[in-house]
Amino acid sequence: DQQVKQNSPSLSVQEGRISILNCDYTNSMFDYFLWYKKYPAEGPTFLISISSIKDKNEDGRFTVFLNKSAKHLSLHIVPSQPGDSAVYFCAARGGKGNAGGTSYGKLTFGQGTILTVHP
Amino acid sequence: DTAVSQTPKYLVTQMGNDKSIKCEQNLGHDTMYWYKQDSKKFLKIMFSYNNKELIINETVPNRFSPKSPDKAHLNLHINSLELGDSAVYFCASSQGTGRLNSPLHFGNGTRLTVT
Repeated sequence: DQQVKQNSPSLSVQEGRISILNCDYTNSMFDYFLWYKKYPAEGPTFLISISSIKDKNEDGRFTVFLNKSAKHLSLHIVPSQPGDSAVYFCAARGGKGNAGGTSYGKLTFGQGTILTVHP
Repeated sequence: DTAVSQTPKYLVTQMGNDKSIKCEQNLGHDTMYWYKQDSKKFLKIMFSYNNKELIINETVPNRFSPKSPDKAHLNLHINSLELGDSAVYFCASSQGTGRLNSPLHFGNGTRLTVT
């Protein structure tokens, strides 16, 4: 029962264009969402996050949108650069059983989307 | 000046052996985690320690035993290794366990292969 899903295993984009990575979740108790970027043979690195009280968060070329009614979030990268080529994971925090916050560090990850940006 | 470092990077061993993976963080964080990335590429939490105290223990076989000698270290010991244990294991750390939106910082992973 995967609560966070990234249905596109891969995405190919031309340099300078917009990359849109999508993520869906099923648990309405999630209240904080993150995107991580991962290069081969490295660990995931934090990219950007959004609280459930917001619907948009922007940081430079990266913008995350949250649609709570649809339980959907997306990451927009514009303009895309070849160095953005990596695996992108969305993750959600919170959920059933996290009352009191001791499990608040528990992230539920999607399976990742491989982004390739062509020069 | 690696923030979260884990050793070894690669580990190849035979079924039935016992092995350990070490993790250290120099970020001053008080919470550390072990995540497992399985063959389907999902990252799933195994354990979390806050100030040397176990606070998250997901459904993991008891052959896996985490040990935190201090808040900067979280080691993972695995007994009687099985083929299904083959995966990439990631250590991570963060500041706080409460409702602080502190992102996790990950190590580079340990690729465990059980033959």
